[in-house]
Amino acid sequence: NAGVTQTPKFRVLKTGQSMTLLCAQDMNHEYMYWYRQDPGMGLRLIHYSVGEGTTAKGEVPDGYNVSRLKKQNFLLGLESAAPSQTSVYFCASSYLAGNTGELFFGEGSRLTVL
Amino acid sequence: AQSVTQLGSHVSVSEGALVLLRCNYSSSVPPYLFWYVQYPNQGLQLLLKYTSAATLVKGINGFEAEFKKSETSFHLTKPSAHMSDAAEYFCAVSKAAGNKLTFGGGTRVLVKP
Repeated sequence: NAGVTQTPKFRVLKTGQSMTLLCAQDMNHEYMYWYRQDPGMGLRLIHYSVGEGTTAKGEVPDGYNVSRLKKQNFLLGLESAAPSQTSVYFCASSYLAGNTGELFFGEGSRLTVL
Repeated sequence: AQSVTQLGSHVSVSEGALVLLRCNYSSSVPPYLFWYVQYPNQGLQLLLKYTSAATLVKGINGFEAEFKKSETSFHLTKPSAHMSDAAEYFCAVSKAAGNKLTFGGGTRVLVKP
């Protein structure tokens, strides 16, 4: 079973470039999340979605946009990349709300902004 | 706002020794608490969760955690470390009525032969 799949797994950008990270889940989950992971800071929530066509801001949303046009896909966009956005990005999904349901994570996308 | 503090960013244990990872939370309401594990170059996976049932929670791979409301703690333990336990461990908390997890900074476990 594929579970949660993130593409691409690695990407190097120059400051000011744009890109989109794709997250796809095949578990029919309603909830999807984008986190970034930085050393010593754990995972911080960027944006999340509680269903197709919905999105909401998380803890660190600035500089990112998201879309959930299809239930199985959750896209994270960077319109003008900055070095501070160098990080590992994780997508997750859950059937129930995150407080009671288990989150299923992708393997991560490592982004470097020069 | 709720927060999670994990004491010690790195822990080194000998194979066969006790593993103890500390987690303290702040929450204005009874929380839901989780421990996740991340193996190298992988995503996080759930070890165990507390959702207001038994205060001692058993998880996968021999890990367990005890919820202590008076201490606002949810420490993770394993009686005997195995080499395969080398990973990073994250404590997380959410409010009962919310749908977002707040993660601690993580504790990386090194297991020495």
